Amino acid sequence: GDSVTQMEGPVTLSEEAFLTINCTYTATGYPSLFWYVQYPGEGLQLLLKATKADDKGSNKGFEATYRKETTSFHLEKGSVQVSDSAVYFCALSDPKRGGSNYKLTFGKGTLLTVNP
Amino acid sequence: GAGVSQSPRYKVAKRGQDVALRCDPISGHVSLFWYQQALGQGPEFLTYFQNEAQLDKSGLPSDRFFAERPEGSVSTLKIQRTQQEDSAVYLCASSPRDHSYEQYFGPGTRLTVT
Repeated sequence: GDSVTQMEGPVTLSEEAFLTINCTYTATGYPSLFWYVQYPGEGLQLLLKATKADDKGSNKGFEATYRKETTSFHLEKGSVQVSDSAVYFCALSDPKRGGSNYKLTFGKGTLLTVNP
Repeated sequence: GAGVSQSPRYKVAKRGQDVALRCDPISGHVSLFWYQQALGQGPEFLTYFQNEAQLDKSGLPSDRFFAERPEGSVSTLKIQRTQQEDSAVYLCASSPRDHSYEQYFGPGTRLTVT
């Protein structure tokens, strides 16, 4: 079945440091890939997405590129801020042929703490 | 506009009790999903509705779990005879179309079974 494996945390960085959170996936079809973020006390929010190979999703300075050859979707940010402290989830959606269920399969999440 | 809301936000149940968790999706959203998030884990799919039709319930862990969406808007997830392993955050998400990647999540209901 479909699965997502992401880098285990916690990750602690200083402000303005470079961030990478690794994510790899297994899917039988042609999935779309997502990064969701959960800020303290808030619900899950979509951060960025990519729907086909070589697409780059970007938002709020975060980027991730859909790499089919390595089945990866690593999240990067060049300079993190304290406000980026949150839990980050990599996810995929792989509706089967003829299906309409776009359910998400999530990784376990990576806690990021950014210190001033 | 209003987002997805869930109630109650916190629920404590004694083992063996029945609970009902409510989800109010964004108005007009066709698709509705329930997920279960155990402590330290990512959310896991439970069930999916397209309007009032429950099209996929493959993620429901046992027959003690039951979900409904009778009028195609509000949904209720019911857990009968709760067990300690049911303790988790239950997340609801809605989507504006039936073929859509966009899922908008509610804040979740944290269920603790004692």
